[in-house]
Amino acid sequence: DAKTTQPTSMDCAEGRAANLPCNHSTISGNEYVYWYRQIHSQGPQYIIHGLKNNETNEMASLIITEDRKSSTLILPHATLRDTAVYYCIVRVGGSNFGNEKLTFGTGTRLTIIP
Amino acid sequence: DVKVTQSSRYLVKRTGEKVFLECVQDMDHENMFWYRQDPGLGLRLIYFSYDVKMKEKGDIPEGYSVSREKKERFSLILESASTNQTSMYLCASSLAGPNEKLFFGSGTQLSVL
Repeated sequence: DAKTTQPTSMDCAEGRAANLPCNHSTISGNEYVYWYRQIHSQGPQYIIHGLKNNETNEMASLIITEDRKSSTLILPHATLRDTAVYYCIVRVGGSNFGNEKLTFGTGTRLTIIP
Repeated sequence: DVKVTQSSRYLVKRTGEKVFLECVQDMDHENMFWYRQDPGLGLRLIYFSYDVKMKEKGDIPEGYSVSREKKERFSLILESASTNQTSMYLCASSLAGPNEKLFFGSGTQLSVL
């Protein structure tokens, strides 16, 4: 699976959009981009995933560049409860045995400022 | 709502003890996983299971074993606990199939003294 690079930490003002970048320059054509987050003292929580099209759900939007070498997770109106560590992961799709290959790095620690 | 339950939130054991960490999911998921999380190292996969009585080694299986006798339960066993196994242990489960997301438990913070 491709390696990802994320900033170690970021701050965002409450109510503003939080934009979290991720570089995955060695991504392959069949690898998906996943985002999870981990709020303090809890297990990671799935947010969103995509292959090449932009995706949106009730939690966030995922913007993937045309060359697929980077992506941005957008939390449109950040709240204090969005303070967490955010993990960007790539994995091969279409496989029953893909989840065990998920590699959670150290992620981005996002702090929402009141 | 989906639920992955880990039996203990905090656990303190002594070096050399046999330790059992239990995980139960109520979602009829085929796949179950054990990770450990240490500061600066992210999550590392210890073992996973894709079916009852089936198990596969992850990235750091040394010093651990697992048991999956029933679909809903996946146990992590430390045969002889050591201080370097002090860590946060996270259990997860998922459906079989492409692109299925992981559901995690809240974790067990194990301290080995």
